Amino acid sequence: EAGVVQSPRYKIIEKKQPVAFWCNPISGHNTLYWYLQNLGQGPELLIRYENEEAVDDSQLPKDRFSAERLKGVDSTLKIQPAELGDSAVYLCASSVSGDTEAFFGQGTRLTVV
Amino acid sequence: EDQVTQSPEALRLQEGESSSLNCSYTVSGLRGLFWYRQDPGKGPEFLFTLYSAGEEKEKERLKATLTKKESFLHITAPKPEDSATYLCAVQATTDSWGKLQFGAGTQVVVTP
Repeated sequence: EAGVVQSPRYKIIEKKQPVAFWCNPISGHNTLYWYLQNLGQGPELLIRYENEEAVDDSQLPKDRFSAERLKGVDSTLKIQPAELGDSAVYLCASSVSGDTEAFFGQGTRLTVV
Repeated sequence: EDQVTQSPEALRLQEGESSSLNCSYTVSGLRGLFWYRQDPGKGPEFLFTLYSAGEEKEKERLKATLTKKESFLHITAPKPEDSATYLCAVQATTDSWGKLQFGAGTQVVVTP
């Protein structure tokens, strides 16, 4: 069974530029998460989807971050404009439902210069 | 405020030297406690879910236990391939379903 697929694996951009990350969850998983992980820290939830509905986006900085999950499958996370402090690993995860274990992708390492 | 604290921050073990990692949590109500393993440059890999005090789960050389205030991950006779960062996360009843609060992790290095 294929796992959670994320792309790109690495991205280097200049500050103030836009960037987008893509995630394909495990087939059949209705719940999709975007997490941010800083070096030496545990992941922090940015947004959670149940199918195509964002049900928890309280931690998403909405002035510059946006996300979508069209048709309840793939998801895209966008940052516009990027700031130096956005440098981190962005992890996508999926689960069958919100109360079951989540499976993570490999992450996208973003460096803003 | 809900908190998850892991100790120690780092642990260096000789192959075969058993040890335990600690995850202490303060939440008003616990839905579940999760253990993940994370290798460098990779996403966290699910290990265990524990739901109630007294529960135990085992997988190969790993055993997770849960009390009302903390969880332990016991590593028995570790091998170099057990080297990784081990993350603990809790799901609180006061949070929305699916929201995990992670600790900072314990970095484990097992030398031959």
